[in-house]
Amino acid sequence: EAEVAQSPRYKITEKSQAVAFWCDPISGHATLYWYRQILGQGPELLVQFQDESVVDDSQLPKDRFSAERLKGVDSTLKIQPAELGDSAMYLCASSLLRDRGRGEQFFGPGTRLTVL
Amino acid sequence: AQTVTQSQPEMSVQEAETVTLSCTYDTSESDYYLFWYKQPPSRQMILVIRQEAYKQQNATENRFSVNFQKAAKSFSLKISDSQLGDAAMYFCAYRSLNNNDMRFGAGTRLTVKP
Repeated sequence: EAEVAQSPRYKITEKSQAVAFWCDPISGHATLYWYRQILGQGPELLVQFQDESVVDDSQLPKDRFSAERLKGVDSTLKIQPAELGDSAMYLCASSLLRDRGRGEQFFGPGTRLTVL
Repeated sequence: AQTVTQSQPEMSVQEAETVTLSCTYDTSESDYYLFWYKQPPSRQMILVIRQEAYKQQNATENRFSVNFQKAAKSFSLKISDSQLGDAAMYFCAYRSLNNNDMRFGAGTRLTVKP
């Protein structure tokens, strides 16, 4: 069964360092999402791509976060510099349809980031 | 903006019994989708059940069913014949038809006792 892949699964870094997370969506899924999930809370959308274009990055802290999906397939989320408050689970999801509400989002296993 | 509220941070159920998880939401839209997602420990989030707001009939997926009360903006999940594998975090989510943005509640941690 096709799955969303993410790496690394765990990342420990010191504050002020740079970190990067990678996501490979299910083949053929045009829409890709990055979520941040703080412990004890539900996921919050950071950025949404449709193919290689950013559709929504209104909640992305652009002074330190960046995201790209250059060829419209896999994606990278970067944090530079990392801050203590960035410690969270970073989830990637993909869906087949964009403007059809039935488009289920399929989630990857996430990257758990700890900033020391 | 739409908000989703799950008022039960933790719930427990005896194996083979039935449990209901609560969810309420706030929206001014008339058409939307509601979801329940399950997040097992250290595993990815998976879709449990989906409800289209324009459908009056409550969605059912095997042992999982919902009680959708549109006027009350309530969307509860009932798990029948609970199994040990049902133990997980459960998230209620709202999705507008106008965009792809999914709004999640804070989650309910379900424990299943043998």
